[in-house]
Amino acid sequence: GENVEQHPSTLSVQEGDSAVIKCTYSDSASNYFPWYKQELGKRPQLIIDIRSNVGEKKDQRIAVTLNKTAKHFSLHITETQPEDSAVYFCAARLSNTGNQFYFGTGTSLTVIP
Amino acid sequence: NAGVMQNPRHLVRRRGQEARLRCSPMKGHSHVYWYRQLPEEGLKFMVYLQKENIIDESGMPKERFSAEFPKEGPSILRIQQVVRGDSAAYFCASSPNRGDYGYTFGSGTRLTVV
Repeated sequence: GENVEQHPSTLSVQEGDSAVIKCTYSDSASNYFPWYKQELGKRPQLIIDIRSNVGEKKDQRIAVTLNKTAKHFSLHITETQPEDSAVYFCAARLSNTGNQFYFGTGTSLTVIP
Repeated sequence: NAGVMQNPRHLVRRRGQEARLRCSPMKGHSHVYWYRQLPEEGLKFMVYLQKENIIDESGMPKERFSAEFPKEGPSILRIQQVVRGDSAAYFCASSPNRGDYGYTFGSGTRLTVV
């Protein structure tokens, strides 16, 4: 299967600063990489995704970059706000297996007002 | 569109009892996935089903756990003879087909075994 590692496990930033979360994956057959945000006691919600044929994708204050050669991808949040505080999970999907995702262990982001 | 519906939201079972978790996918979605989230951990894949078929159950424990997605009605995750270690949040997700889609997750069932 796939092994996804995520760093850091916790991250605190001042409001307005940027936050970066990094993930690596092991299987070069992975071709789809979603990011989920999970607030305490709630469901994971998809916030952005990237496919393996793209190097970068942006949606307002959120961007994701993918380096296929190095097998790593990152989430960038700019101009952070207190409501960005949550746990963020990266995931990878193998193209040649079922449709399951392999999730990282999560990053707990705290934005300090 | 009501989204992915899971029930119950919270379930308390005594050790040795059975737990039944239900998941109704989004309208038009025929693929269902079950994930388990232990406290302070990430989501672990359990099983992937289509109507009347188990596509991949590689993440299911070998004993006590089973899943189905019948022709009519919700998908059911069944845990027999629950133990304390089964306490977790169980999330169901659905997708319209096997493609590059981010799942839509349900709100989860939080199982507590006492």
